[in-house]
Amino acid sequence: ETGVTQTPRHLVMGMTNKKSLKCEQHLGHNAMYWYKQSAKKPLELMFVYSLEERVENNSVPSRFSPECPNSSHLFLHLHTLQPEDSALYLCASSQGGGGGYEQYFGPGTRLTVT
Amino acid sequence: QQPVQSPQAVILREGEDAVINCSSSKALYSVHWYRQKHGEAPVFLMILLKGGEQKGHEKISASFNEKKQQSSLYLTASQLSYSGTYFCGTPRPGGYNKLIFGAGTRLAVHP
Repeated sequence: ETGVTQTPRHLVMGMTNKKSLKCEQHLGHNAMYWYKQSAKKPLELMFVYSLEERVENNSVPSRFSPECPNSSHLFLHLHTLQPEDSALYLCASSQGGGGGYEQYFGPGTRLTVT
Repeated sequence: QQPVQSPQAVILREGEDAVINCSSSKALYSVHWYRQKHGEAPVFLMILLKGGEQKGHEKISASFNEKKQQSSLYLTASQLSYSGTYFCGTPRPGGYNKLIFGAGTRLAVHP
């Protein structure tokens, strides 16, 4: 238990569906992150929020839309996804935005796009 | 910009030692190490900072050579619980702890 929770843990969706992934951190951290982890690929940073402001969009397609309503919650809204978007989506948080802060990861949402 | 990890995979018997390396073509200011067990989230192991400061597990040791732009993770007297995939991550320019991770090193420890 890292203090970062994600729901749902598993999600199967069709290419025309709209769904949302939710992340909540109970650590009082100021920065939150979305990562994508595909088979045989390294962890890919998607989005970074610092103090609820998006500070990174790592060339992610617009079919992924993040939302950070407060410093404890982070959402990833999904629509018209492609089969290649099937992956494990991990949320993480850190106390600060500098390189000296460790990141705490949630358990992830395993997404399958059919 | 992605750091390069070596080896890609290691198989050990309990009690044996291993070294995992992480190198970058860019100047490194810090290196993060995480371990991910199958089906679980990555777990923080250690951060090594420019200037010699370290944060992390007491039982894990690592080194950071700023000039060579590389870091090494030392796993001594390995235990079964050490099995998993080890990732190093290096921050991208621009702050905000934007980590670029290596491809990972798979470690399997057998009895």
